[in-house]
Amino acid sequence: DAGVIQSPRHEVTEMGQEVTLRCKPISGHNSLFWYRQTMMRGLELLIYFNNNVPIDDSGMPEDRFSAKMPNASFSTLKIQPSEPRDSAVYFCASSLPGAYNEQFFGPGTRLTVL
Amino acid sequence: DAKTTQPPSMDCAEGRAANLPCNHSTISGNEYVYWYRQIHSQGPQYIIHGLKNNETNEMASLIITEDRKSSTLILPHATLRDTAVYYCIVRSPQGGSEKLVFGKGTKLTVNP
Repeated sequence: DAGVIQSPRHEVTEMGQEVTLRCKPISGHNSLFWYRQTMMRGLELLIYFNNNVPIDDSGMPEDRFSAKMPNASFSTLKIQPSEPRDSAVYFCASSLPGAYNEQFFGPGTRLTVL
Repeated sequence: DAKTTQPPSMDCAEGRAANLPCNHSTISGNEYVYWYRQIHSQGPQYIIHGLKNNETNEMASLIITEDRKSSTLILPHATLRDTAVYYCIVRSPQGGSEKLVFGKGTKLTVNP
C-alpha cells in the first residue's frame, strides 16, 4: 500500500511562474482533499472532490488557484501566477466516501515562491 | 461545526501516560470527536474518533465526558516518537461533513 503520493516534494519557483502540484490518492478512495499549511493560518482546506467532482472549493484563496481531478487516480492543484504569499506546504489527502471515514494524508509539497 | 479548545502545549515524560484535553462545549448530539496528530514535517495522521462512548485502539484511548462537552486523548505509554501536534476536531454528519477543520492543536513534547 503506497499511501497518498504527492509530487514534487519540494518546489522553488519565482513570482509569476506557474506551479502545478500533483497527487495520486490511495486506490479505491473516492474522496480527495487539498489542504494548505502555513505558520500564520495553520492547516486549511482548499477544495475537495467526491468521485472526481469538486464538492466544495470555498477554501480556494482566489482565481489564481485551480484544481482538477480528471480521473480517480490523479489530481492537480495549479497556481498561476504564483506569488510569494503562496509559499506553504500543500497536502493532499484521500478517503473512502462517507462522513466519518478517516483521511489519509500525503507527505506534502513544500512550495517556496521567491 | 462545534469549536474546540485545546492547550497550546504540553510536556510528558517518556514511558508515562500523556493526557491531552479538549473542550467542545457547543457540540451537538450527532457530532463526532476526532483526533489527528502531525509529526514534524509529515502529513496529519488519524488517531481515533468517538461519539459518546469511550474508545480504544492500538494507538490511544478516547474518553468523552457524559455531557460530551469535553474529551481526553490518552497515550498510555508515550514515546519520543509521539512528539507531535495533536488536533481535536468535531465533525458534523450534515452536508460537508467530509471536511476536517483544524484548529491550532496541542504541541506535545515527550521528554527522555
